[in-house]
Order: sequence, then structure tokens, then C-alpha cells
Amino acid sequence: DGGITQSPKYLFRKEGQNVTLSCEQNLNHDAMYWYRQDPGQGLRLIYYSQIVNDFQKGDIAEGYSVSREKKESFPLTVTSAQKNPTAFYLCASMASGGARETQYFGPGTRLLVL
Amino acid sequence: SQKIEQNSEALNIQEGKTATLTCNYTNYSPAYLQWYRQDPGRGPVFLLLIRENEKEKRKERLKVTFDTTLKQSLFHITASQPADSATYLCALPFSGGYNKLIFGAGTRLAVHP
Repeated sequence: DGGITQSPKYLFRKEGQNVTLSCEQNLNHDAMYWYRQDPGQGLRLIYYSQIVNDFQKGDIAEGYSVSREKKESFPLTVTSAQKNPTAFYLCASMASGGARETQYFGPGTRLLVL
Repeated sequence: SQKIEQNSEALNIQEGKTATLTCNYTNYSPAYLQWYRQDPGRGPVFLLLIRENEKEKRKERLKVTFDTTLKQSLFHITASQPADSATYLCALPFSGGYNKLIFGAGTRLAVHP
């Protein structure tokens, strides 16, 4: 089955700890995205990548970092600098070419602070 | 900057009725608009895309309209069912390009038997 996988489903972070959220896609999409969702708010863009080895900051990049070493993978690290990390994190991808307006989302990772 | 507004109050309707959700936007003239469905604790799923030159788009029990003069899209679910209960998000392409979407906060729909 083609799709996007995110792991883990739940993640607990201790004070001062960096944690990494995994996102993998087998849709052969060029573009990948990370969003943060808080209750009652829309999706806010953290980082996005149009192509391997390239990525750009979104609207709320502070306290986060990413890498894009492979087309299939776009991991997100929540660093200790992110003071309010508790949220639902969603990874998405988008095709290039004629069908490139639609985003496909993973199941999400819920990050909680201990 | 671009702004998308969706009714933050939940919409409660009776099974079999038509649900109508609204998406308003400002400071932009998008080439298209999309609607997504999101179930609790899950990622959004794409439903429909309507382009600026299309007034209406249908898919089974779903209908979307796009009024570029009013800067508004309406999303209709006819003959609604309890299984249609979810949060519905509208999304517009970012005016600066870069294959980015701007999402509304969504409207929660509850269909009661």
C-alpha cells in the first residue's frame, strides 16, 4: 500500500530533551511538510522540503529542525529550545506535476511533555 | 496576509439533513480551494478541489461551491449520516507559491441519528 507513515503514535519528552519524529512516504512525492496542530487551531507549517537536500522554514520553525537526506524520509526533531512542544504533529507529502495541489497526510504523532 | 475563516462552533444536524459548512478568505485570490476531512486523532484526508473558474463541484453526496466575488466557499453534505461526523478543513494555496497550503481551523460536524 502506498502512503505516509509516522512513528511513534505517542511520544513523551522530558525537560531539556531533544526528540525526533519519523515520517516516511512511498508515494514518490518530491515535496514533504511538517505541521503542528493545537486544539481549536488550524494546521501551522513548521518546515517543508521541495526536494532532497533542501528545506525551508515555515511559520513556526523556532525550536525545530529537519533533514531531507532521502526522498522518502523527512524526520522532525523537536529541540529543547521549543518551550511548548505539546501538540499533534502531522507530516504530509505532495506530488509534483499535474496532481501537485493535493497533500497526503500521515496518521500523526502526539507529543506530550513529562 | 492571507486569512481563512471557518465557523469555530460545531454544527449539529439531524441524520438525513443537508450540512452546509462555510469557508471565507481574505487578502487573496486563490487559483483553487480544497476541502479535507479530519477524524479525531488522525491526519486530514483530501475530499475535493475546486478551481477559480468552477462555480460548483460534486462528488457523490458532497458539493462544493466557490464564489470568488464573495471570497467564500460552501461545502454541502446531502443526506447526512452519523459517519459524516468529523472536522472539515478548507485550504488555499499560499499566495507566494512554493507548493504550500494555508489551512483553516476547521468546523466540527456532528450528525445525530
